[in-house]
Amino acid sequence: GAGVSQSPSNKVTEKGKDVELRCDPISGHTALYWYRQSLGQGLEFLIYFQGNSAPDKSGLPSDRFSAERTGGSVSTLTIQRTQQEDSAVYLCASSPLRGGVPDTQYFGPGTRLTVL
Amino acid sequence: QKEVEQNSGPLSVPEGAIASLNCTYSDRGSQSFFWYRQYSGKSPELIMSIYSNGDKEDGRFTAQLNKASQYVSLLIRDSQPSDSATYLCAVDNYGQNFVFGPGTRLSVLP
Repeated sequence: GAGVSQSPSNKVTEKGKDVELRCDPISGHTALYWYRQSLGQGLEFLIYFQGNSAPDKSGLPSDRFSAERTGGSVSTLTIQRTQQEDSAVYLCASSPLRGGVPDTQYFGPGTRLTVL
Repeated sequence: QKEVEQNSGPLSVPEGAIASLNCTYSDRGSQSFFWYRQYSGKSPELIMSIYSNGDKEDGRFTAQLNKASQYVSLLIRDSQPSDSATYLCAVDNYGQNFVFGPGTRLSVLP
């Protein structure tokens, strides 16, 4: 079946511009996560959506970052006024429920963001 | 702050040897444990999940969990150069606190 998809795969932008990154989770997965991974570094948690609950935004690094999930499916991560330190790979993951709670996370291919 | 710790490596093993990757976690309430593999430039992919104390085997991979010691490990038997990657340990507490470790870089030498 179809996995998690993300678009665009690559995005080059100029400092100060806004960008939108899209994630299509696996159908039926109620939990959706966004991570950031800088070159050679580990995964940095950004935000977590689960069903209709309020999202866990505790990982967003600044108020320039926001995310929404429409209809419990597609999610968009928006970065306003991009800075060079925002350059990284942005990964989305979705997970099914196991025993009523999110379980294994399945990752998309990521969006490589480069801010010039 | 809930933490998951792993040796960053690199861990180098000769081809055909057993690679042993270790992970410790701080949240005693953790119930689900995962090992992911990440090749350079790619996204993480699931290798195994484990939920109960003891060993779980899948092909050349064996996950070992000891909740009392807050320790989970991954053994890779007959290591191949294609196993060279970064291995991420992840721990979850009923979906409330999914945390990834920093990863261990494994290099299997031909």
